[in-house]
Formats: sequence, structure tokens, C-alpha cells
Amino acid sequence: DGGITQSPKYLFRKEGQNVTLSCEQNLNHDAMYWYRQDPGQGLRLIYYSQIVNDFQKGDIAEGYSVSREKKESFPLTVTSAQKNPTAFYLCASSRHDRGRGNTQYFGPGTRLTVL
Amino acid sequence: AQKITQTQPGMFVQEKEAVTLDCTYDTSDPSYGLFWYKQPSSGEMIFLIYQGSYDQQNATEGRYSLNFQKARKSANLVISASQLGDSAMYFCAMREANTGNQFYFGTGTSLTVIP
Repeated sequence: DGGITQSPKYLFRKEGQNVTLSCEQNLNHDAMYWYRQDPGQGLRLIYYSQIVNDFQKGDIAEGYSVSREKKESFPLTVTSAQKNPTAFYLCASSRHDRGRGNTQYFGPGTRLTVL
Repeated sequence: AQKITQTQPGMFVQEKEAVTLDCTYDTSDPSYGLFWYKQPSSGEMIFLIYQGSYDQQNATEGRYSLNFQKARKSANLVISASQLGDSAMYFCAMREANTGNQFYFGTGTSLTVIP
């Protein structure tokens, strides 16, 4: 089945540790995105990538890093520089489709908790 | 200014009744797209419906329709014949042509369907 997978579903991290969240898609979409969601709030864009080996900062990129070495994969690293990393992280992808407005499709999310 | 405003933090609807979730947006770009997503308690964001700014007719997808009033800059979601499984958070989002593929999300509306 085509779709977007994120792993792990739940992740616990000690303060001061870096941690990497996985996002894989087999939809052959060019663009991929990372969002952060805090309780009672909407989604905020961390990073996005329109094409392999290229990515741009979103609204809240500080303390995060990404790579896009393959079309299918867009891992997000939460570094120790991120002061408040406990949140729900959602990955999305989209393809160029004027008729559907480049709709973004989402993975199931990863819930990160810093202990 | 907020790009997307959802003024209803919580809504209740009787099963089998229709419900309208409000969304207003702010943009000066003549070309934009409007989206609605459903987020059940599991966390995954599920795409529901899309409306392009140049579309002449309101979008419909099964029991979902988008009441698009361009002059008022509103894009309300109408769910007909509510079901218990419709209980979830609902997010309105917008993509502007001049900002590429970046989406702006509202803060969401929590819908509870009462048996």
C-alpha cells in the first residue's frame, strides 16, 4: 500500500541527547515536510524539502536539522539545542497537482517526550 | 495577522444532524487553495476536502462540503448526517501560490458527535 510511515510512534529522550525521527514515503512525491504540534494548537512548519538534496527552514527550524538524500526519506533530528522538544511531530508529503492544490498527505506522527 | 482563523474551539452535534465548522482566512494572493483536515485521537491528519480560489463551485466530497464565500474570505466545512466516527479535531489550512508549498493551519475545532 502507498503511504507515509513514521517511526517510532513514541520516543523518549533524556535532556541533552540528539534524537532522529524517521519519515518514509512510497507515493513518489517530490516534496516533504516536518511539522510540530503542541497541545491545543495547530501545526507549525519546521523544515520542508521540494526536491532531493535541497531543503528550506520553516517557521520554527531552530534546534532541528534535516537531510534529504533520497526522494523517499526525510529524517528529522531534534538536537540538544531545541529547548522544548516535547511535542507531536508530523511528517507530510505532496506532489505537484494543480487540480488538488498540491495537497499534503500526512504520516501517523511521532510523539516525543523529553524526560 | 493570522492567516487562518478558527473561532470555535469546540462544537457538539447530534448524530445524523448537519454541522458547520467555521474558517476565515487572510491573504492578498489571488491564487490560493483551502483545505480541511480531520485529526482523530490517534493523531494522524486525514485530508478531507480542497477548494481552489478560482473554483466556481463549492467543493464536495461525500458527506463533506466546503462553503466557499470568497468576498467574506470564509471557507466553512459542512458535515452532513454526522456519525459518531466524525468526533475529532478539524483543521482548516491554506496554501498561497506565492509562498510555494507552505501550508498555514488554524488552531482547530474539536467536534463531538452525541448519540
